Amino acid sequence: AQSVSQHNHHVILSEAASLELGCNYSYGGTVNLFWYVQYPGQHLQLLLKYFSGDPLVKGIKGFEAEFIKSKFSFNLRKPSVQWSDTAEYFCAVNAGTASKLTFGTGTRLQVTL
Amino acid sequence: DAGITQSPRHKVTETGTPVTLRCHQTENHRYMYWYRQDPGHGLRLIHYSYGVKDTDKGEVSDGYSVSRSKTEDFLLTLESATSSQTSVYFCATGNEGEQYFGPGTRLTVT
Repeated sequence: AQSVSQHNHHVILSEAASLELGCNYSYGGTVNLFWYVQYPGQHLQLLLKYFSGDPLVKGIKGFEAEFIKSKFSFNLRKPSVQWSDTAEYFCAVNAGTASKLTFGTGTRLQVTL
Repeated sequence: DAGITQSPRHKVTETGTPVTLRCHQTENHRYMYWYRQDPGHGLRLIHYSYGVKDTDKGEVSDGYSVSRSKTEDFLLTLESATSSQTSVYFCATGNEGEQYFGPGTRLTVT
């Protein structure tokens, strides 16, 4: 069975700091990869996705992620965070049928002014 | 965002009572999913549907059942609610690829 690991559970950054959140998955075949964001009290929203092609994908709000197949990783980055980026971030993998997603446990990002 | 609504949005119920949560979509997506979200666990798939009357179990399906009689509706039933089922429940829909999430239902079982 596939699994997703997010090793950073809680990250605190000052505004304008750079962000990198780790995501590793375990599955040897073709995968589709996603990052979702959940702002306080809201539902999950798609930040970005990777299906194929350029391993560096750009999403909304200045976020990007790089798929490194050899490392089974899909890390999320942003060069300069804003207070409004305070949220929980989930990495997810689809590697099977019915477009089912396996989620990581999430990383809570807190951006201070 | 896809047109996904969930009802009720909040519910408090007693142990042992049956509870049904409803998910309604207006996007004609083929797949529908029910997740629960708990601190430290992320989102875990309860059940999913790949078409009308076609459903299958997810990783935490014990104590839950689902039904999909129409493309737009996906019901989740807790047959006899327990305190361990206190959680936030999210419905999601999609075709091939990404999923779109509803606003969630906060369920408290006392």
